This record gives sequence, C-alpha cells and structure tokens, in this order.
Amino acid sequence: EAGVTQSPTHLIKTRGQQATLRCSPISGHTSVYWYQQALGLGLQFLLWYDEGEERNRGNFPPRFSGRQFPNYSSELNVNALELEDSALYLCASSLAQRQGVDTQYFGPGTRLTVL
Amino acid sequence: AQSVTQLGSHVSVSEGALVLLRCNYSSSVPPYLFWYVQYPNQGLQLLLKYTSAATLVKGINGFEAEFKKSETSFHLTKPSAHMSDAAEYFCAVSDPFRNSGNTPLVFGKGTRLSVIA
Repeated sequence: EAGVTQSPTHLIKTRGQQATLRCSPISGHTSVYWYQQALGLGLQFLLWYDEGEERNRGNFPPRFSGRQFPNYSSELNVNALELEDSALYLCASSLAQRQGVDTQYFGPGTRLTVL
Repeated sequence: AQSVTQLGSHVSVSEGALVLLRCNYSSSVPPYLFWYVQYPNQGLQLLLKYTSAATLVKGINGFEAEFKKSETSFHLTKPSAHMSDAAEYFCAVSDPFRNSGNTPLVFGKGTRLSVIA
C-alpha cells in the first residue's frame, strides 16, 4: 500500500513569492493534516481538512491557506513568503475514525527554503 | 489545552544499553498518545500508540511505552539500543473531536537519541 506522498521534495523561493505544496493521502483516507517543522520551533499544526472542508486551523496567519480536492488530495499555499517560513512542511493523512483513535500517517515532507 | 513535555532534548546511550525517553502530557480528557520517530531528512514514522486498550503498548523495532495516568506519563523504552535507533523521537497527544476524528496532534519538542558504539 502506497504511503502519503508529497511534492515537491524541495522548493526554493524568494521573499514575497507564493509557494504551493501538494499532498496525496493514503488510499481510503479522507483527512489531511498539515504541519510545519521549523528549526527551533518544533512541529506545529497548520491546517486540517476532512471531506473537502477545513476542520481546524492552527495559530498561523491567513497567508497560509489550502484546500482539499474531491479525491482527498490537498494543497497548501503560502502567500507573501517570509524568511521565517523556511521549514519542513509535513502532510499527514488519517481515516477520520468517528470513534476511537484516529492515527495519522506522515509523508516525507517538502523542504521550503525562502531566500 | 493539551500539552506535551519531553524531558531531555538529547539523550546519549551506549549500544546495547537501555533506552528511556520521557514524555509527560496534559489533557482535559483521556487522551490518545503516540510516539513517532524521525530519521534525518525524512518524515515521521509511527512507533506506537496508546488507545486505552492496554497500558503497556508494544511498537515496532523493539520499542514499548507504558501509560501511567497517575503520573500523566508515557515514557518510551527499549531494552537494548542499536546503532540504527539514532534519530529524533517525538511524543504527541490528541483527543476525540466532535465525532469527526481526533484533534490535530500536539507534539513535544523532541528528543534526539544518539547511540555510541
């Protein structure tokens, strides 16, 4: 079974530009989560999508946005890039179990570098 | 609000020695607890998870963790360290969320494990 995939692996942008990151969940998973892993800040929750809708949002400015497509894949957009947006962006997917534990499985990440 | 504290940002052990990585959590409801491992330049791999079925949880690669409600702890152990265990380990917590899955994971800051030959 294929795991969570993310593209691109690396992305280099300059300050002020926009970045688009993509994620394909495990087959059958309907929930997609985005996390940012920045140096010194640890892993922080960004966005959660389930069944095409945004379920929850972390403490990030509105220039971080995304969407989930009918095939449950997801896109993270970061507008007006700032130097501190440089980080590893991790996508995770889950079955969205209505009861009990709902395990998140992670992709390999996209390394975004803002110059 | 949920939070996770991992004691020790860096732990160093000798090959063959016991590995003990500490995790304490706070949560307003009985939580779900996870340990993930991250190898250099890779994503997170699930090691094990606590789902209230059993307090002692066995995971992959010989790791296990014990849930202790009275101590609000979920420490990760492995009897004998191997060189391949060198990585970053993250403890995480989530809660049930309105019958639509679980809340996003809240992570500890991670513990880097070094294994000395």
